[in-house]
Amino acid sequence: SQQGEEDPQALSIQEGENATMNCSYKTSINNLQWYRQNSGRGLVHLILIRSNEREKHSGRLRVTLDTSKKSSSLLITASRAADTASYFCATAKEGGAQKLVFGQGTRLTINP
Amino acid sequence: NAGVTQTPKFQVLKTGQSMTLQCAQDMNHEYMSWYRQDPGMGLRLIHYSVGAGITDQGEVPNGYNVSRSTTEDFPLRLLSAAPSQTSVYFCASSYDLGRGYGYTFGSGTRLTVV
Repeated sequence: SQQGEEDPQALSIQEGENATMNCSYKTSINNLQWYRQNSGRGLVHLILIRSNEREKHSGRLRVTLDTSKKSSSLLITASRAADTASYFCATAKEGGAQKLVFGQGTRLTINP
Repeated sequence: NAGVTQTPKFQVLKTGQSMTLQCAQDMNHEYMSWYRQDPGMGLRLIHYSVGAGITDQGEVPNGYNVSRSTTEDFPLRLLSAAPSQTSVYFCASSYDLGRGYGYTFGSGTRLTVV
């Protein structure tokens, strides 16, 4: 079964607005990663947060991690049309970090 | 260019045929994995490897075999293709997942079994 579950499954916003996606997982993790997939393409690694970190930034991306709630969020600020894609969280389990398990993804649409 | 190379990009098989999906990386990554992606189901792990000579099963290994004779190559074999194996297959590699390195993905192989 999937380790991570994203919420919402689909999100549509106006260009310039912020987009927030959430991910919940079931077991203790070594790290949690976010990936982007443009239509018909492979996945691209965006950002990784370790289990002992609470927040991480990369450009317009901000990731938070709450291990007590087993949840993470990805915030994209000042969205652009080029941000239209599917976003996946993936978890590497504690003690089993050789496997990366993906959620089902959030489809983000940025409207001009 | 450095990266993960998957071949072929598209393939149509008849039920019962066998084939090998190729995956090669030139980044000296130890970790490699195969995933399949079906509509609405995200990515599911088929098999993975943490180094040459070491492979293990993921979530959905039935009907697939892998081997890792070199660091660079990680082929996925479909033993007897079934329509349920129609999917997009992605290969990925990482320097070290446990130490916080993410995956680099190939561009995928779109497989149709008729």
